[in-house]
Formats: sequence, structure tokens, C-alpha cells
Amino acid sequence: GDSVTQMEGPVTLSEEAFLTINCTYTATGYPSLFWYVQYPGEGLQLLLKATKADDKGSNKGFEATYRKETTSFHLEKGSVQVSDSAVYFCALSLRDYKLSFGAGTTVTVRA
Amino acid sequence: GAGVSQSPSNKVTEKGKDVELRCDPISGHTALYWYRQSLGQGLEFLIYFQGNSAPDKSGLPSDRFSAERTGGSVSTLTIQRTQQEDSAVYLCASSPRTSQAETQYFGPGTRLLVL
Repeated sequence: GDSVTQMEGPVTLSEEAFLTINCTYTATGYPSLFWYVQYPGEGLQLLLKATKADDKGSNKGFEATYRKETTSFHLEKGSVQVSDSAVYFCALSLRDYKLSFGAGTTVTVRA
Repeated sequence: GAGVSQSPSNKVTEKGKDVELRCDPISGHTALYWYRQSLGQGLEFLIYFQGNSAPDKSGLPSDRFSAERTGGSVSTLTIQRTQQEDSAVYLCASSPRTSQAETQYFGPGTRLLVL
């Protein structure tokens, strides 16, 4: 079935470090791809998305590129801040509209 | 504007009791989704509504789970004869329309604990 595999956490970084979270997918068809983020004590919110191959989603300094050839949608940020500490979820959606999520990656950024 | 709201925010119940969880989507959103977030299973899809109809009920874990949506707005997820394995955070989301490219906007969730 359709699924998402993302990098296991937890990930601990120092401020201003480079962050990358790997995400790969398996899907029958051409999915839309999403990164959702859950900050401590808050609900899930969209971070960025890409709806077709080679699209790049970006928001708050984060970027991810939809790579069809490698079935990947890795999340990157060049210089993280303490406020980026959160749980990050990669997800896909197909014609059935439901989101299929990865297991989530907990990121902690130390000052 | 107002986001997705859910009530109650927390619910503690005894095994065997029925519970109702409510979701108020963003006004004008025709699509509504229910998910469950638990430690063992991660984030799982339960059911979605397009208007008042539910084309896909495949994610409901058992026949103890049911959901309805009235007036194209409020939705209620009902769990009958609750079991301890039903303990989880139940999330509701809405989107303007059903499309695989649409952003789903999530509510804060209802944390259910079955004793």
C-alpha cells in the first residue's frame, strides 16, 4: 500500500546547525507530498507541500523538493533556531484524499 | 479567522462506556477528516466526509466506531463500548474541497483516556 518512511529520531542539534530529515514514499500513482509540524503543546500545521515532480515547497526557511526518480521529499533548513524544536511529519495524499503519515521525527535545537 | 475546533479537549472514561467527540470545521470547508494519533500506531486515518456523506470508512478500526456529519458542518465521532486500546488523541481536519493537493487544517485534538 501507499506509505511514507521517514528518518527515525530523535535529532538533537545546536542553534545555526544544518537540519535534514529524510523522507521516502511508496505510492501507486503520483501523490502530493507534505511536511506537517507539531510544535510543543500545539496542533498539527502544514509546513510546506509540493504537488508534482520537481516542485519545491518552502516556508520559514525550510525547503523540500519532490523527487520522483528517488521517490523522496527530504526536508532541509540551513540554520535552525531553538524555535524549530518540534515533531516533523512527512505525508502523502493520493486520489483517496487521506493523508498517510510517516512516524514523525522529533527535533530538539539547543541554544 | 476561526480554525478547526474540537471538544472536549480531554476525556477520561471507563472501559465499556460510549463517548462522543465533536469537530467544528472551518466555515465553508466541504471536506472533513478524522485521524487518530497514538504512541503505538502513529497518525492513522479514520474516515472522511465530503459534505454529509462518507465515501471512505476504511480506516475505522472496528464497528464500535461510527461518525456522522450534519448540515455539511459539525461532525461527531462516536466510540461505543470503549476499550483501553482506544486511548489516543483524536484529530479532526478540514479542507476547502476534496483534492489530493489540498492542505488539511487540523484542530487541537481530543485526548481520550480509557481506564
